[in-house]
Amino acid sequence: GENVEQHPSTLSVQEGDSAVIKCTYSDSASNYFPWYKQELGKRPQLIIDIRSNVGEKKDQRIAVTLNKTAKHFSLHITETQPEDSAVYFCAANFAGNKLTFGGGTRVLVKP
Amino acid sequence: EAGVAQSPRYKIIEKRQSVAFWCNPISGHATLYWYQQILGQGPKLLIQFQNNGVVDDSQLPKDRFSAERLKGVDSTLKIQPAKLEDSAVYLCASSTRQGETEAFFGQGTRLTVV
Repeated sequence: GENVEQHPSTLSVQEGDSAVIKCTYSDSASNYFPWYKQELGKRPQLIIDIRSNVGEKKDQRIAVTLNKTAKHFSLHITETQPEDSAVYFCAANFAGNKLTFGGGTRVLVKP
Repeated sequence: EAGVAQSPRYKIIEKRQSVAFWCNPISGHATLYWYQQILGQGPKLLIQFQNNGVVDDSQLPKDRFSAERLKGVDSTLKIQPAKLEDSAVYLCASSTRQGETEAFFGQGTRLTVV
């Protein structure tokens, strides 16, 4: 079936350290993998996305890597800051271009 | 550009009552999604429209939920009758191309069924 597994469900890091969130997906035909950040009480907002024709993409302190063979992709946040505290969701598109989300990772950056 | 608009922001109803949510996507966006987000979980796709046609509604509880997108623009999602487990945030999102470009989310409607 169409499934996106996300780990860990919670992540606590010290300010300045790195945070890594991993997702696996079930459909080898998936070709679009966005990451969304959701602050408390707010809407999910795209922070970075990657397509299947590249293995890595970086935007300042945020990077995403994709391993299509293993069907997993990861979000890397370097030099974490308190404002990075939020819930992060990965997603993948499945047959019919359905955008399916993972269960989310609650990230807490401790000052 | 204006974002995805949703109303109402909050709704409290008793079980077995009916409720409707409204969404106005970003102008020109052909794809519209309705997601259900239960507290502490990821958004779950309920229904996906491409213009005014349904692309996928496999996870929509059709015995109580219905949705339409007349004229391929605004959309409404209805629940009748509501159950306690329907308490969630209902998020509407739109994108230019289904499943392959950024989906922009609205603020959501927080539904509480008591």
